[in-house]
Amino acid sequence: NAGVTQTPKFQVLKTGQSMTLQCAQDMNHEYMSWYRQDPGMGLRLIHYSVGAGITDQGEVPNGYNVSRSTTEDFPLRLLSAAPSQTSVYFCASSRDRGDPPYFGPGTRLLVL
Amino acid sequence: QQQVKQSPQSLIVQKGGISIINCAYENTAFDYFPWYQQFPGKGPALLIAIRPDVSEKKEGRFTISFNKSAKQFSLHIMDSQPGDSATYFCAASRGSNYQLIWGAGTKLIIKP
Repeated sequence: NAGVTQTPKFQVLKTGQSMTLQCAQDMNHEYMSWYRQDPGMGLRLIHYSVGAGITDQGEVPNGYNVSRSTTEDFPLRLLSAAPSQTSVYFCASSRDRGDPPYFGPGTRLLVL
Repeated sequence: QQQVKQSPQSLIVQKGGISIINCAYENTAFDYFPWYQQFPGKGPALLIAIRPDVSEKKEGRFTISFNKSAKQFSLHIMDSQPGDSATYFCAASRGSNYQLIWGAGTKLIIKP
């Protein structure tokens, strides 16, 4: 099993550009989530999904969209990038909502 | 009510010493308290976790101590090794709604 994979590993965007961060898992996990990690702030939940076709907002959803068309994939879309979205983004998955999440390796995003 | 406060921000310990990281929470409804370990360039990985029905849980050199009345829990790393150098995060969640609330992290450096 590859576990949770994320692409790209690093991305530079200009303010106003849009992009999609990819996340895939091969563990047949129902629950997937996106976090951002900023220095001194721990991890904050952006969006999550309890299964294909079902998504919901986390703590800091503004400026991000998600969809879950398959169990395996959970892409995160930045609609119009802002410097405040410079961060490291982690995708995570777990068997169900009550299990601890397994994290991917992260995507480092720099918005200029 | 949702905060988890972690201290210290950074910690330097000599090889063979005991590393202690503390967390405090406010929401008495939290019932799951995991610790995650993160190495540079990697996602966080679950290290050890405790529920409030026990006061201590030990796994190898890692121990969680839990004080329900004080709303505090701590991670002890015995016989600390250079390979333990990483950032450690505490977190808390409530019930089956597995939305972890994260501490800000502690950067641990073990000096050889």
